[in-house]
Amino acid sequence: EAQVTQNPRYLITVTGKKLTVTCSQNMNHEYMSWYRQDPGLGLRQIYYSMNVEVTDKGDVPEGYKVSRKEKRNFPLILESPSPNQTSLYFCASRKSGTGGNEQFFGPGTRLTVL
Amino acid sequence: GESVGLHLPTLSVQEGDNSIINCAYSNSASDYFIWYKQESGKGPQFIIDIRSNMDKRQGQRVTVLLNKTVKHLSLQIAATQPGDSAVYFCAENGYKLSFGAGTTVTVRA
Repeated sequence: EAQVTQNPRYLITVTGKKLTVTCSQNMNHEYMSWYRQDPGLGLRQIYYSMNVEVTDKGDVPEGYKVSRKEKRNFPLILESPSPNQTSLYFCASRKSGTGGNEQFFGPGTRLTVL
Repeated sequence: GESVGLHLPTLSVQEGDNSIINCAYSNSASDYFIWYKQESGKGPQFIIDIRSNMDKRQGQRVTVLLNKTVKHLSLQIAATQPGDSAVYFCAENGYKLSFGAGTTVTVRA
């Protein structure tokens, strides 16, 4: 089944404790992206990657890191989480180029930073 | 920079009626415009897209209209059903891309 998976789905942590949210897709998509969703603010893009070893900042990159060492994986790293990073996070992927309009989203990761 | 769809926040519709969800955009250079649906507790899901050189496209129970003159996009849902209750986002097919807050559609029985 074609899908985007994220782990963990739920996480409660404390300020300053490094964490990684994994994202993996099995569709051989070039493009991957991370979003955070907050009430009233919609889905805001954190980072995106157009292919392996190519990453770029979205609209709200502060406090986050990403890497794209393999095509299928795009982990989101919070080196020193803070309470304002409490949010619902979505990973997405799609093909690049012609026919690549549809983004496939993962199920979401609900993160709480105390 | 980003181009974000601007939506009216809520829409309440009677089951069986047609729904119209509107969106304004700012970037005129996009090749495609896309509608997504997000049900409670799930990630957004692609509904339909429209190429920028078209003004109308139909899918199953949905129609998207594009008016480039006024930079306006709409999604029409025919015979709205309870399963259509969700948040709807419009977006472009760019790489650096955020979505607005969307329109929350509530279907009344």
